[in-house]
Amino acid sequence: DADVTQTPRNRITKTGKRIMLECSQTKGHDRMYWYRQDPGLGLRLIYYSFDVKDINKGEISDGYSVSRQAQAKFSLSLESAIPNQTALYFCATSDSGETNEKLFFGSGTQLSVL
Amino acid sequence: AQSVTQLGSHVSVSEGALVLLRCNYSSSVPPYLFWYVQYPNQGLQLLLKYTSAATLVKGINGFEAEFKKSETSFHLTKPSAHMSDAAEYFCAVSSGGSNYKLTFGKGTLLTVNP
Repeated sequence: DADVTQTPRNRITKTGKRIMLECSQTKGHDRMYWYRQDPGLGLRLIYYSFDVKDINKGEISDGYSVSRQAQAKFSLSLESAIPNQTALYFCATSDSGETNEKLFFGSGTQLSVL
Repeated sequence: AQSVTQLGSHVSVSEGALVLLRCNYSSSVPPYLFWYVQYPNQGLQLLLKYTSAATLVKGINGFEAEFKKSETSFHLTKPSAHMSDAAEYFCAVSSGGSNYKLTFGKGTLLTVNP
């Protein structure tokens, strides 16, 4: 089983709909991240959480919200999806120890907003 | 503020040829630098990292990178390309410390021709 699991793998939705992307991890890491990937733009950080009670905005948080339900679960919500949120979304984890700079990524969720 | 610039969004080499992927960084503090690789339909994986120890860093699959402070560069090389190296490569920078957060470049797609 994957260490970082994202669901769903693919999602097509319509403008204005609320969407939740889920991420769970079995690595025991305390830090979790949501990134979006757009062709030619690389990865951009949406939100990150260093523990269950810590939530921080990344560089492109507008239009998104997150919930850290438990150490192992970090979900990303689009309250009212719009077409320019069509992208590949990645969840990642890291620990807070010596190897804290190594990110472990899920396989991604491809979201299409029509 | 920190940033990375990857020179060339697409690099094409022949199998057996030298691979050189360029990355320049900007950071207000001594940086931690990374190369990640993304194979098709997968999340990113760490190739190698520089964290102020040796300036020549060896990673997985025969890749290495050299940190050059005077040139603010961290170029990725491999002496002989293999077909399995075809992927997208991302350079990333962080300031390290307890508030670790990665900033990614836009990526370089490596194509290996037979």
